[in-house]
Amino acid sequence: DTGVSQNPRHKITKRGQNVTFRCDPISEHNRLYWYRQTLGQGPEFLTYFQNEAQLEKSRLLSDRFSAERPKGSFSTLEIQRTEQGDSAMYLCASSTGTDNQPQHFGDGTRLSIL
Amino acid sequence: AQSVSQHNHHVILSEAASLELGCNYSYGGTVNLFWYVQYPGQHLQLLLKYFSGDPLVKGIKGFEAEFIKSKFSFNLRKPSVQWSDTAEYFCAVSRAGGYNKLIFGAGTRLAVHP
Repeated sequence: DTGVSQNPRHKITKRGQNVTFRCDPISEHNRLYWYRQTLGQGPEFLTYFQNEAQLEKSRLLSDRFSAERPKGSFSTLEIQRTEQGDSAMYLCASSTGTDNQPQHFGDGTRLSIL
Repeated sequence: AQSVSQHNHHVILSEAASLELGCNYSYGGTVNLFWYVQYPGQHLQLLLKYFSGDPLVKGIKGFEAEFIKSKFSFNLRKPSVQWSDTAEYFCAVSRAGGYNKLIFGAGTRLAVHP
């Protein structure tokens, strides 16, 4: 079971720097989701891709955030000019293209802003 | 607005005790319901799901949940917990059909003592 792979597992950076995370979904999954989880809370939806098309973005995804899935396989999430409030666990999930299928989650990337 | 409420943030039980974790949701439409579990140091894993049909759903590791539409509830139960059930449990809801962006509750942290 290859599962959903996320890199890096941990990222520590100074406020104001740019960071980029990568997600490799399960190979046959064409739906990909990004979530953010802060301490004591459940994951919150950020954005959704169907193949390479970004079909929904949450209001949580400010202009400093951008996500791509250029070839409909792996995805990247970039945060520009990081702020203290960006510190969180960033989770990626994937599912097949069939409706009503459960999402499979990766281990996440933990971002800490100094 | 869509929301999920989990009644207990922390639960402490002894082995062999019975477990019930409450989950209520607010959503104007037909829903899919999920329970995910996160064991220490691991990624979110699907415990069980409800899409349609029998409102009593059985999942892995002896867990079950009952969907009560009139109460907007999807409580998780296990008749006899084990130390290995120590984990954080998340209830989630999504719109039925199409892609399923998940709305999570805040989670319940369960500690089972031997």
